[in-house]
Amino acid sequence: NAGVTQTPKFQVLKTGQSMTLQCAQDMNHNSMYWYRQDPGMGLRLIYYSASEGTTDKGEVPNGYNVSRLNKREFSLRLESAAPSQTSVYFCASSSLRSSGRGNEQFFGPGTRLTVL
Amino acid sequence: EDKVVQSPLSLVVHEGDTVTLNCSYEVTNFRSLLWYKQEKKAPTFLFMLTSSGIEKKSGRLSSILDKKELFSILNITATQTGDSAVYLCAGVNNAGNMLTFGGGTRLMVKP
Repeated sequence: NAGVTQTPKFQVLKTGQSMTLQCAQDMNHNSMYWYRQDPGMGLRLIYYSASEGTTDKGEVPNGYNVSRLNKREFSLRLESAAPSQTSVYFCASSSLRSSGRGNEQFFGPGTRLTVL
Repeated sequence: EDKVVQSPLSLVVHEGDTVTLNCSYEVTNFRSLLWYKQEKKAPTFLFMLTSSGIEKKSGRLSSILDKKELFSILNITATQTGDSAVYLCAGVNNAGNMLTFGGGTRLMVKP
C-alpha cells in the first residue's frame, strides 16, 4: 500500500515549456487534490476532483489544467510554464464522506518544480 | 473568501518546554479543522476537530477547538527535537471537499 505517489520528484523547466505532473493513489479514495506550496503561503488549492469524471477549480487555477484519468490517477498539466509557477506541488486524496464530520487528506511526497 | 491565520509564524524553544500554536479561521459553512505536521516532505495528519471544547490528545500533543471564537490551539508539552517542523492548520467547508490552509507555524526545538 503505497498511499499517494507523485512523479517526478524534481523538475526544471524553461519558460514556455510544458509538462504534466502525475499523481496516483491506491486507497480507493473518491477525491483528489492538487496544491502548491510557496514559502510563507501555506498550501493553496489549484484544482480538485470530488469524484471520477469531475474536476473543479480551487483557489489558484490559472495556468493549470487537470485530468482525472480514472479513480486512481489525477494529473496536473502546465501548458506554458512561467517562473511564477516555481513551487512545490502536492497531490492529496481523501475518502470524501457526504455525511460525517470532515475529511482527512493524505498527501504525496511532492514535486519540486523550478521554472527558469 | 475563506481565510485561516496561524500564529506565531515561527517559534524557537528548548527541549522540555511547552508550546501553544494558534489557528484562527473564517470558513464559510465550516465543518471541521485539521492539524498537520510537515517536516521535510508531505504534511502528515495530526488531528481533526469538529466540536467545541472537546480536547483531542495524542501523546504529548493535544488540540482543542472553539467554534464560537473561531479558533483552535495545538499544545505540545515536553517538546523534543523531533517536534521541529512546520505545523499547519486547515479549515474544512461543509461539503468536506475544500481545505483552506493557514501559512503554518515553524517550530524549532533546540537540545
